Amino acid sequence: KQEVTQIPAALSVPEGENLVLNCSFTDSAIYNLQWFRQDPGKGLTSLLLIQSSQREQTSGRLNASLDKSSGRSTLYIAASQPGDSATYLCAVSRLYNFNKFYFGSGTKLNVKP
Amino acid sequence: GAGVSQSPSNKVTEKGKDVELRCDPISGHTALYWYRQSLGQGLEFLIYFQGNSAPDKSGLPSDRFSAERTGGSVSTLTIQRTQQEDSAVYLCASSFIRGGGNTIYFGEGSWLTVV
Repeated sequence: KQEVTQIPAALSVPEGENLVLNCSFTDSAIYNLQWFRQDPGKGLTSLLLIQSSQREQTSGRLNASLDKSSGRSTLYIAASQPGDSATYLCAVSRLYNFNKFYFGSGTKLNVKP
Repeated sequence: GAGVSQSPSNKVTEKGKDVELRCDPISGHTALYWYRQSLGQGLEFLIYFQGNSAPDKSGLPSDRFSAERTGGSVSTLTIQRTQQEDSAVYLCASSFIRGGGNTIYFGEGSWLTVV
């Protein structure tokens, strides 16, 4: 069974800091990994998708890396802003059932002005 | 439509009553998912539909839960004889399968409170 863990559960940083969110998974036979953002009372918004053959993806101030062999992914946020405050979730899909996603419980980020 | 649409956005129901939650996926998306998120928790997989294939129901927590997808588009999640532990946000998502990746798009959820 695939288990996804996110550490830390919550993070508070001052505006302008660079930060890293961590995601680990137990089964390295993944199809892809996605990072999502969830604002309070809202659904999830996909930020980045990394296919199993890739090592990283970048979008603006966000960079996500993937190390399948160690079962880890990181989401790097550069020059954080108060508007980045949200819960960030990672999800993996399995190699032989790629439509079933396993989610971590998220990291709640607070960027203080 | 422009995004995944869910209704109702909020539902308060009495314990023991049945509820129906509706999801209208993005047009052309062949895969549809239902997840549940309890307060402060991660997402719990419930069920997914892919085209005309038999749905993967492995995440449904009990036989009080059922879902159907009519005409390969709109889906309804039904919870019978609701219990207080059913209180959660029910999130629907859809995706279009393409080579190499399948970004999923979520609706804003149906917030269910059982009193």
